[in-house]
Amino acid sequence: GQQVMQIPQYQHVQEGEDFTTYCNSSTTLSNIQWYKQRPGGHPVFLIQLVKSGEVKKQKRLTFQFGEAKKNSSLHITATQTTDVGTYFCAGNSGYSTLTFGKGTMLLVSP
Amino acid sequence: DAEITQSPRHKITETGRQVTLACHQTWNHNNMFWYRQDLGHGLRLIHYSYGVQDTNKGEVSDGYSVSRSNTEDLPLTLESAASSQTSVYFCASSSSGGGTDTQYFGPGTRLTVL
Repeated sequence: GQQVMQIPQYQHVQEGEDFTTYCNSSTTLSNIQWYKQRPGGHPVFLIQLVKSGEVKKQKRLTFQFGEAKKNSSLHITATQTTDVGTYFCAGNSGYSTLTFGKGTMLLVSP
Repeated sequence: DAEITQSPRHKITETGRQVTLACHQTWNHNNMFWYRQDLGHGLRLIHYSYGVQDTNKGEVSDGYSVSRSNTEDLPLTLESAASSQTSVYFCASSSSGGGTDTQYFGPGTRLTVL
């Protein structure tokens, strides 16, 4: 079945440093979505990418979808303590259900 | 405001007991999903439904069942709870089919099977 791999599993940064998490699929994706889960919370939708090479920005967050639609990245510029949490990518092909990556846990020290 | 709720939020049960976790959404979404979240495994799909009377197995469906008798509810039943089913369970809903639409997650149920 479809597999979505995410790296790194964990990253600890100092406040103000940049952070990037990468997502790779074994198959070409129809769309990729990113979710954030705060500690003790539930996943919350951040963004969806559907076009090859698409780049979207949300304030300090930049999301990219690869040209081959098999990989994606989330980059956070100048992290803040409010960025702490686990970031998940999730993708699907055709009419299949979403497959979630295992997530990247981000810890930000002040 | 529309929302998705889960109950109970915490549950402790014994091996072999039947357990039902409730999920209720007021988004009027056709699609509902159950996931389990375990350390090192991310979110894994248990069962899902694309509408009333429709249910489908996900990646880790063994030992679980669901039924969809109305739009708002998708209860998850553990037929005979096992320690391996200790986990955090999330219900989610979305408006359109497949994996193309945003999923809205409930607050989760932490289940412990002793």
